[in-house]
Amino acid sequence: IAGITQAPTSQILAAGRRMTLRCTQDMRHNAMYWYRQDLGLGLRLIHYSNTAGTTGKGEVPDGYSVSRANTDDFPLTLASAVPSQTSVYFCASSSGSSYNEQFFGPGTRLTVL
Amino acid sequence: SQKIEQNSEALNIQEGKTDTLTCNYTNYSPAYLEWYRQDPGRGPVFLLLIRENEKEKRKERLKVTFDTTLKQSLFHITASQPADSATYLCALDGSSNTGKLIFGQGTTLQVKP
Repeated sequence: IAGITQAPTSQILAAGRRMTLRCTQDMRHNAMYWYRQDLGLGLRLIHYSNTAGTTGKGEVPDGYSVSRANTDDFPLTLASAVPSQTSVYFCASSSGSSYNEQFFGPGTRLTVL
Repeated sequence: SQKIEQNSEALNIQEGKTDTLTCNYTNYSPAYLEWYRQDPGRGPVFLLLIRENEKEKRKERLKVTFDTTLKQSLFHITASQPADSATYLCALDGSSNTGKLIFGQGTTLQVKP
């Protein structure tokens, strides 16, 4: 059982390019989340999904979009990357939206030049 | 404004000692609070969840307290080991038990043999 996987592991991207970060979980969790982690700022929620077919905005959603076509996959898209989106991105999932631990993926290190 | 704060400076302790990490918050009323461990280059790993009506939670050598009057959670590691060296993140339920966690910046703990 893999748990939660992310791809790519790292990426260097030119500003203005479109990029999709992939996230897949095999735990049949209802809820999934995308965070970015920056030095000194901690983890910040970008978007979340409480169940397949629904999504919501987190603390820092601007410049990012998500979709949740099925239970397992929750891709994060940067339509036109900017240098301020350089960060480490973590995907997470949980069995439900409340009183539940979140399981995190290994992260994607993204550099936008 | 809403804030969640952890000791920003790294803590260095000797093996075998007990240490306490602090998590303070303002202008939140979380239904629960969670603690995670993060090793360099990896995603956070869940450790403990404590609900607002619980004063204390224990797991092996770990103990977490939650004081909703002081708006504070304390994380204790007893009989610390070098393998406990990591960054510890607190996270609170930021929005009416929706699963949207707000994370502190984390406190890095270094246990020396």
